[in-house]
Amino acid sequence: ETGVTQTPRHLVMGMTNKKSLKCEQHLGHNAMYWYKQSAKKPLELMFVYNFKEQTENNSVPSRFSPECPNSSHLFLHLHTLQPEDSALYLCASSQDLASGRADEQFFGPGTRLTVL
Amino acid sequence: AQTVTQSQPEMSVQEAETVTLSCTYDTSESDYYLFWYKQPPSRQMILVIRQEAYKQQNATENRFSVNFQKAAKSFSLKISDSQLGDAAMYFCAYRRGNQFYFGTGTSLTVIP
Repeated sequence: ETGVTQTPRHLVMGMTNKKSLKCEQHLGHNAMYWYKQSAKKPLELMFVYNFKEQTENNSVPSRFSPECPNSSHLFLHLHTLQPEDSALYLCASSQDLASGRADEQFFGPGTRLTVL
Repeated sequence: AQTVTQSQPEMSVQEAETVTLSCTYDTSESDYYLFWYKQPPSRQMILVIRQEAYKQQNATENRFSVNFQKAAKSFSLKISDSQLGDAAMYFCAYRRGNQFYFGTGTSLTVIP
């Protein structure tokens, strides 16, 4: 399989559940990202990892917990979410975060999350 | 704070015609990168074109070109000879360091 894959593609969970989103990239990249995409709002960058190290956490609530065990895998652990957290969660990867390059981000298909 | 504004929520274009999507951004930096991404319905987002702010020459990729006006902080996308496959949501994006900012998108309809 090539590119960036995400599982599950759809997830419905209650506010007390714990679930995890998974992202895997087969591109040999070293930077990975989580984004939240809500209707009528800009894509929001949540977390950035570079060579497995978290470099950015854009004031994301602690009910979202990222994990990057290696450069190919990225997880987003979810617990006690709120209905307003319902959105499309996109994973992306790029070569790395070296400065001086306009590296392309490759996006996965997203996980459509609904919080009841 | 950096923000990206796409003032056209929806646009339409006749097949084979040309359309321009607008994007403005707010920054106090001089070194940054700009991108246009395309998200077709129910499909993955893909890069259309990119521009380094230090380059004065406008980027082009086949039928896609940009008009980069650094002083005006404007980065519009021109699609020439529009095709049915160009129908998608188009997002303008700004990168500075490890931060990426996207606009709200413009939904482009191509009329046969």
